[in-house]
Amino acid sequence: QVQLVQSGAEVKKPGASVKVSCKTSGYTFISYGISWVRQAPGQGLEWMGWISADNGNTNYAQKLQGRVTMTTDTSTSTAYMELRSLRSDDTAVYYCARVLGDGYNYYYWGQGSLVTVSS
Amino acid sequence: DIQMTQSPSSVSASVGDRVTITCRASQGISSWLGWYQQKPGKAPELLIYGASTLQSGVPLRFSGSGSGTEFTLTISSLQPEDFATYFCQQANSFPITFGQGTRLEIK
Repeated sequence: QVQLVQSGAEVKKPGASVKVSCKTSGYTFISYGISWVRQAPGQGLEWMGWISADNGNTNYAQKLQGRVTMTTDTSTSTAYMELRSLRSDDTAVYYCARVLGDGYNYYYWGQGSLVTVSS
Repeated sequence: DIQMTQSPSSVSASVGDRVTITCRASQGISSWLGWYQQKPGKAPELLIYGASTLQSGVPLRFSGSGSGTEFTLTISSLQPEDFATYFCQQANSFPITFGQGTRLEIK
């Protein structure tokens, strides 16, 4: 079965960087892109961007442009999301997600990775 | 960017009630809309895609309708496990955007 397993919780200081991993299994990795969605405590869902696992093409949310980088490692079927220059309002649960088939509604989700930014 | 506006932001209802949540897109998105249910501490779960197609395994009391800019999620007879937060999401174009959520609480 399809699984997306994310790395564990992180605590970072303002200005630092964090890299969250999303290890996939149960399907052909390059057949589907991976999106990243975050959720600040008690808040809604915010789409961060998408990466094609086939060719590495990306599409990032404008507000994160310049601070976020999404990559993939096809040898390990793992996607990564790096966020730099962290601020307190980056504190959130970060999810990786994949569609079931066509379109961009997300059926498969990682378990979430809590990133806390605090001095 | 396409803005998604959900209403109400919260609703109190009882087991057995019928509840409708509305989602409005700032521009037409055809039927490229999904609905999610999220419970505390869990990832969202996709209930409906294509505005009205029920994801396999989702109870038939959930239904979706609409196209263009106006969409609704209806739960025909609330069950205890339905009390959660619901989000709409447009899948028409990047950047993907979500509604702000509707918290469904027990009355």
